[in-house]
Amino acid sequence: AAGVIQSPRHLIKEKRETATLKCYPIPRHDTVYWYQQGPGQDPQFLISFYEKMQSDKGSIPDRFSAQQFSDYHSELNMSSLELGDSALYFCASSSPGYEQYFGPGTRLTVT
Amino acid sequence: GQQVMQIPQYQHVQEGEDFTTYCNSSTTLSNIQWYKQRPGGHPVFLIQLVKSGEVKKQKRLTFQFGEAKKNSSLHITATQTTDVGTYFCAGLGNSGYALNFGKGTSLLVTP
Repeated sequence: AAGVIQSPRHLIKEKRETATLKCYPIPRHDTVYWYQQGPGQDPQFLISFYEKMQSDKGSIPDRFSAQQFSDYHSELNMSSLELGDSALYFCASSSPGYEQYFGPGTRLTVT
Repeated sequence: GQQVMQIPQYQHVQEGEDFTTYCNSSTTLSNIQWYKQRPGGHPVFLIQLVKSGEVKKQKRLTFQFGEAKKNSSLHITATQTTDVGTYFCAGLGNSGYALNFGKGTSLLVTP
């Protein structure tokens, strides 16, 4: 069965650089979520989209933005990167209110 | 906002022993979901509980949802080394989209 695809899997950036993370949801899932997970931490919700519209917003910094495109894939854009942004970034997809299927994650390292 | 507390933070058991993790919410939950994350992996959906007092079983795993829909538990009977990982409970946020994860319980099983 198709799963959530995330790219890239690993990313190394320097402080103040920008990064773009991509997420391709499971076909026919209309909701996409982004989570940030620091080492030894629980996933923290950043933002979600339902039918290409932002549906909920969590602890996403103003330096980050995201969108969902007509083909339902989503991109998380991160600017002015800081050391503290180093984390695993998960994308998940679902039908609203149902279980979420997580992608393998993008490990971002900011040096 | 809704807070989901989870205890214990860590649990180390011998293979064959039982294991339980508890989850408590500051507010009534519409439903609660449980996820398992293996070391280096991504959260994987286990189950969703919706009804007050609901009990669901998956082989050696028993999930309960409290009568007041504010607490939940996951019990594993006769743990195996394959049970190693972090178990998260998660409640749906007010918008019905984002998951509020508990801090997770990391289970270590030694043979």
